[in-house]
Amino acid sequence: GENVEQHPSTLSVQEGDSAVIKCTYSDSASNYFPWYKQELGKGPQLIIDIRSNVGEKKDQRIAVTLNKTAKHFSLHITETQPEDSAVYFCAASHDGYQKVTFGTGTKLQVIP
Amino acid sequence: DAGVIQSPRHEVTEMGQEVTLRCKPISGHDYLFWYRQTMMRGLELLIYFNNNVPIDDSGMPEDRFSAKMPNASFSTLKIQPSEPRDSAVYFCASSAPGQGPYGYTFGSGTRLTVV
Repeated sequence: GENVEQHPSTLSVQEGDSAVIKCTYSDSASNYFPWYKQELGKGPQLIIDIRSNVGEKKDQRIAVTLNKTAKHFSLHITETQPEDSAVYFCAASHDGYQKVTFGTGTKLQVIP
Repeated sequence: DAGVIQSPRHEVTEMGQEVTLRCKPISGHDYLFWYRQTMMRGLELLIYFNNNVPIDDSGMPEDRFSAKMPNASFSTLKIQPSEPRDSAVYFCASSAPGQGPYGYTFGSGTRLTVV
């Protein structure tokens, strides 16, 4: 089955700096890669996703990149703000709806 | 839309008791997933349903766990008998092929404590 590894497990950045979270996956058949943000006491919320036919996707201060050859994908947050502080999960699946395998999470702390 | 609704939000029970967690998916979503979250193991998929039919229950830890989806708007996850190691946050999520956005919508979770 699919195995998703995520690094780092914790990340502290100064407000305004950029944050990068990296993931690798094992199943070459995976073609959908969502990212979720989990705030304290809440369920994970989808923030951005990318499909295998696209190398990069941006949404305001958030961007994701995908390297299918290397089986790597990354989340980039620019101009970080305190409200970006949360746990972020990467995930992979063969499509967007069935079995999704999650990474272990990255706790991001943005220091004001 | 009210989103995915889970109840109760918190549950404290004694070891050996039966626990039932409930989930109402988003209307029109035909996939429903049960996840368990712990510090040690992260987010684990327990079971998922498509059109009320269980598709993959390979993540259900043991026979003490069971899940049902009697109709498109309701699912339960039952633990009988409960044990302290079952303490975790249990999430329900739903999704629908062909409708945007892609990906799951999670509920707010049920925090289960077994003492």
